[in-house]
Amino acid sequence: KAGVTQTPRYLIKTRGQQVTLSCSPISGHRSVSWYQQTPGQGLQFLFEYFSETQRNKGNFPGRFSGRQFSNSRSEMNVSTLELGDSALYLCASSLEEASGYEQYFGPGTRLTVT
Amino acid sequence: AQSVTQLGSHVSVSEGALVLLRCNYSSSVPPYLFWYVQYPNQGLQLLLKYTSAATLVKGINGFEAEFKKSETSFHLTKPSAHMSDAAEYFCAVTKGAGGGNKLTFGTGTQLKVEL
Repeated sequence: KAGVTQTPRYLIKTRGQQVTLSCSPISGHRSVSWYQQTPGQGLQFLFEYFSETQRNKGNFPGRFSGRQFSNSRSEMNVSTLELGDSALYLCASSLEEASGYEQYFGPGTRLTVT
Repeated sequence: AQSVTQLGSHVSVSEGALVLLRCNYSSSVPPYLFWYVQYPNQGLQLLLKYTSAATLVKGINGFEAEFKKSETSFHLTKPSAHMSDAAEYFCAVTKGAGGGNKLTFGTGTQLKVEL
């Protein structure tokens, strides 16, 4: 079974621009979560989508948004990019209770904001 | 709210020595606990998970962890370190059961394995 895939793997953007990151979960997984990883703040939860609905949201500004499609693929969008948004963005999918809530992570998208 | 604390941001061991990475949790409900490993420029790989079925959990690559409720701990161990174990390790917790899939991570422990 294919793992979680994320595109693109690397991205360079300029301050003020916006960016869209994509995540395809493992087949059959309906829950998709997004995390931001930085050296200073570590791994922080952004939001979770389940069956096209946002179910959980972390403590991030409204510039960070996401959505999930009917095939469970998810996208996250960051508008008006700031230097501090430079990070590794990780997507994870889960079968939920059936799998003991374990999440499977993709390789991440490395975003650099200049 | 759930949280985890990892003691020691850097741990160094000799090849063949015992690996012990510490994690303490705080949770108002029985938690689901996980250990993940991250190699450079990669995502997170699940090592093992605790879901209340057994207090001693065996994972991949020879790692295991013991859930101790009285100590609120979930330390990760491996009897004999290998060079390939050098990576960053994260302890994580989630509430599950209607709480969705929000994982709260510790700050990570960088494991160095020396010859």
